[in-house]
Amino acid sequence: AQSVTQLDSHVSVSEGTPVLLRCNYSSSYSPSLFWYVQHPNKGLQLLLKYTSAATLVKGINGFEAEFKKSETSFHLTKPSAHMSDAAEYFCVVITGGGGNKLTFGTGTQLKVEL
Amino acid sequence: DAGVIQSPRHEVTEMGQEVTLRCKPISGHDYLFWYRQTMMRGLELLIYFNNNVPIDDSGMPEDRFSAKMPNASFSTLKIQPSEPRDSAVYFCASSFRMYTDTQYFGPGTRLTVL
Repeated sequence: AQSVTQLDSHVSVSEGTPVLLRCNYSSSYSPSLFWYVQHPNKGLQLLLKYTSAATLVKGINGFEAEFKKSETSFHLTKPSAHMSDAAEYFCVVITGGGGNKLTFGTGTQLKVEL
Repeated sequence: DAGVIQSPRHEVTEMGQEVTLRCKPISGHDYLFWYRQTMMRGLELLIYFNNNVPIDDSGMPEDRFSAKMPNASFSTLKIQPSEPRDSAVYFCASSFRMYTDTQYFGPGTRLTVL
């Protein structure tokens, strides 16, 4: 069975402080992992993806994530939050193993305060 | 490319009516996905196509929902008859390949069933 758990439904940070959005997964096969961002009333946009290459993945807008197999985690970080980062973030896992399987996490709403 | 195009952007209808949502994927993309997003259930994958062929429709909620892809540049999601609980934002996305490629999302169709 495959699953994705986003540990926090809401995260609030001050502008200029670090961001940490947590994601844990379970998968019977080597996964591909993604982070998508959704701004209000918009479609989802890819931030970054891991596909069995380098475990530290850099994405757009200063975000990065590290794949840690031993911890089954793929947490999203950013050193310094900006007001424009306020949005909902989704962790996604895709595995094969004889049948394509795509699973979205439940999302984390990021609030950035002045 | 204009990206994934969805129409209409907003649809308000009455219970029992037929609703048709439309999607034009990015040219050259082989995969097309339909999602539904609600506050209660989050983002759900309804069905996806590969080269115009439905591959996995296990997410389609019930027989009232149907999806077609008559050619590589057009897909429809139909609900007949519609019910208030179908109210949601419906997203279409396309990707070049399933496993590792980015999914590009359309802006969504906000459906309200009265």
